[in-house]
Amino acid sequence: EPEVTQTPSHQVTQMGQEVILRCVPISNHLYFYWYRQILGQKVEFLVSFYNNEISEKSEIFDDQFSVERPDGSNFTLKIRSTKLEDSAMYFCASSRGIGELFFGEGSRLTVL
Amino acid sequence: GIQVEQSPPDLILQEGANSTLRCNFSDSVNNLQWFHQNPWGQLINLFYIPSGTKQNGRLSATTVATERYSLLYISSSQTTDSGVYFCAVGDTGGFKTIFGAGTRLFVKA
Repeated sequence: EPEVTQTPSHQVTQMGQEVILRCVPISNHLYFYWYRQILGQKVEFLVSFYNNEISEKSEIFDDQFSVERPDGSNFTLKIRSTKLEDSAMYFCASSRGIGELFFGEGSRLTVL
Repeated sequence: GIQVEQSPPDLILQEGANSTLRCNFSDSVNNLQWFHQNPWGQLINLFYIPSGTKQNGRLSATTVATERYSLLYISSSQTTDSGVYFCAVGDTGGFKTIFGAGTRLFVKA
């Protein structure tokens, strides 16, 4: 069964460093998303991406964040200068249309 | 924006018991999903159910969109059902899915 894959599964970084989280969405899906979950809290929407541009973003998704679909298969989230409060699980999701979302297993980011 | 409220926030069950989890939402939605987050953090799709009733084994779900709520039923609970159950709704614009705070379920053997 097709699935969303994410790398790395866990990344530890120093505050102020740049981080890139990678996702390979399900191949025939057209909509892509990033969510994050701070430990023990709810899953928060960051950004949605369709037709090679951002469709919607939340207040969390400030200038430190960017997304890119550099080729036909990858979808990346970049955090330019990490802060301690960026420590969280980051989930990538994709959907064929505006409907059912399928999530990857997540990338745990720890900022020291 | 849409508000999503889930109840109860925490639930402890004896193995074999049944339970009902509720999700209320504040506005019209395009879609609604139920997820189970297992102890490893994975978000497992349970139901895509913008309206109506679906069943999958011991689990079933009902969404009454006109009354802005959805219910998830777990029957004959097992220890492997433990984890957090999230309701997530898509706003009418379609590009954002909002999660509730979840119901944390613990099933005792």
